[in-house]
Amino acid sequence: AQKVTQAQTEISVVEKEDVTLDCVYETRDTTYYLFWYKQPPSGELVFLIRRNSFDEQNEISGRYSWNFQKSTSSFNFTITASQVVDSAVYFCALSEAMDSNYQLIWGAGTKLIIKP
Amino acid sequence: EAGVTQFPSHSVIEKGQTVTLRCDPISGHDNLYWYRRVMGKEIKFLLHFVKESKQDESGMPNNRFLAERTGGTYSTLKVQPAELEDSGVYFCASSQFTGFRSTEAFFGQGTRLTVV
Repeated sequence: AQKVTQAQTEISVVEKEDVTLDCVYETRDTTYYLFWYKQPPSGELVFLIRRNSFDEQNEISGRYSWNFQKSTSSFNFTITASQVVDSAVYFCALSEAMDSNYQLIWGAGTKLIIKP
Repeated sequence: EAGVTQFPSHSVIEKGQTVTLRCDPISGHDNLYWYRRVMGKEIKFLLHFVKESKQDESGMPNNRFLAERTGGTYSTLKVQPAELEDSGVYFCASSQFTGFRSTEAFFGQGTRLTVV
């Protein structure tokens, strides 16, 4: 069965620290998509990244980076030099559907608190 | 450009009443998705519209839920009659394409439904 596990319910760090949010997924499909979304206090879900299962290259976007490891079924998200504005709930999600890859299976989310 | 907008932002109704949630997708986005997050649980996919047609409604919990997208523009999600377990946040998202050409989906801020 498909499943996404975000074991960290809440993380609290001091500004400028690096922080990694873990995401472990389960799927029997060989083709799938992985996502990260950010939910700031305003409530909307903000897309951060989509990665397909054929692309194991790590991705870096500014202070954000993602480490995709198929061998461990993980898709971890690291924020470097965290800032207070990074405080939010972060969701990892999986999609197995080929035609509609927004039938997302979501993790429970990790609440990230960045203290000034 | 306006993002995905949802109305109302918050609704409190009594058990047995009817509530209609509305979602206005980004203009030009053929794909519209509904999700919900029941308190304490993961976000769950409800259904997917392509224009005015229901592409996938496998996530709809039961026949108390009716989604429509007349004319392929805005969508409504009606809950009739509402039950206590329907309480949660209902998210809407839209995207321009699906499948391999899929772009990111943009989410609204959600409607928080409280059934008392």
